[in-house]
Order: sequence, then structure tokens, then C-alpha cells
Amino acid sequence: AQSVTQPDIHITVSEGASLELRCNYSYGATPYLFWYVQSPGQGLQLLLKYFSGDTLVQGIKGFEAEFKRSQSSFNLRKPSVHWSDAAEYFCAVGAGGNAGNMLTFGGGTRLMVKP
Amino acid sequence: DAMVIQNPRYQVTQFGKPVTLSCSQTLNHNVMYWYQQKSSQAPKLLFHYYDKDFNNEADTPDNFQSRRPNTSFCFLDIRSPGLGDAAMYLCATSRDPGVPDTQYFGPGTRLTVL
Repeated sequence: AQSVTQPDIHITVSEGASLELRCNYSYGATPYLFWYVQSPGQGLQLLLKYFSGDTLVQGIKGFEAEFKRSQSSFNLRKPSVHWSDAAEYFCAVGAGGNAGNMLTFGGGTRLMVKP
Repeated sequence: DAMVIQNPRYQVTQFGKPVTLSCSQTLNHNVMYWYQQKSSQAPKLLFHYYDKDFNNEADTPDNFQSRRPNTSFCFLDIRSPGLGDAAMYLCATSRDPGVPDTQYFGPGTRLTVL
């Protein structure tokens, strides 16, 4: 069975600083990896995804993530954080199956942005 | 724009009083999912439909039921809500099973149980 670990429950960065959110996964086959963002009281919005190909993927809102198979990681990065990036971030690994694309989520990282 | 819609956004019910949450989609996706998300936790899958085929997660309580009358709509019924069922309920869709695909989420319904 697959699993996802987000080691950092909370992260605080200053506006304009760079950001890296960590994600480690465990999965026996080729993983399908996702980062979602959730603002307070809202649903989950897809930031980016990795299925295959180039291991550095670009997403919306200036985010990128790099898939590193050797480290079983899919860390999310942004060079300069904006106050509006304050939210909860979830990493997820997907597995195709006969009846659906099951997602296993990490526990989430809450990002706070200092002015 | 194609989207996933959930109604209502906020629902208040009384302990033990049945409640139904609604989800609709204009994406024409074959798979629809219901998740429960408690405060500061990751979403937890309750069940999903592939077309009309219902798939229940092993640890989903019997108190939770679902209906999918057509491709566009899916309902979550909580037969006798307890205080522990207060949570955000998220609906999501994806195109097809068995292939890498993205799940698209609705805005959620926040359920309060008094």
C-alpha cells in the first residue's frame, strides 16, 4: 500500500522568501504524484502533478516540484512567497485501479507567511 | 467553466437528524468520490462511484450512504449524525479509472452537528 509523509506540520516564512515543502512517498510502482492547496474553508485546488517525463514540473501560481526517485521525494518549491500563499498544502500519491484513481494524502503542511 | 459544485456550503443539523449533502459536476467524469476531512487532517476517502458501481471503503461507517442517480449528481446521506461526524465533506471527480488521472475537487460542505 502506498503512503505519503509530509514531515513539516507547520512552516512560517517571510513574504518574498523562498519556500520548500517536503514530501516523501512510499509506493511499489511508478507513482503518480500531486500537490494540492487548500485555503481555509475551501476545497482542494490542484497545483501541479507528475505522471512521467521531465522530473521538474511547473504548476500554477509560480510553484514547481521535482520528482526524485532515488530519494522517494516530490518536494514543492517557490522562489518568492506571497502573503496569499498562506494555506494548507497536501501532497498525494495516486494509484490507478479498476474502479477509480485512489489518492493517498499526506498529513498536510500549514504555511504561514510573515509580512 | 466546467466544475464540481457542492450544496449547501454550510449545513447545520441536530444530533441524530438525517442530512443529505449534494454534489454535481459539469465535467462529465465517470468517477465521483466523497471524502471526509476533519479539522487539521488530510481528507479521508469514504466511498466512490465508477459510473453506477458503488465502492465503499472498508472503514466507512454504515451511517454513511451514497446515491448517484445519474452521471452529474452524487449525494451523501448521513442517517444519524453524531457529534463526531462534524467535518468538511469534499466531493471530487475524475475521468476514468485505471489510468493516471487528476481528481477535481468541489469547494466542500462544512457540516455542524448540534
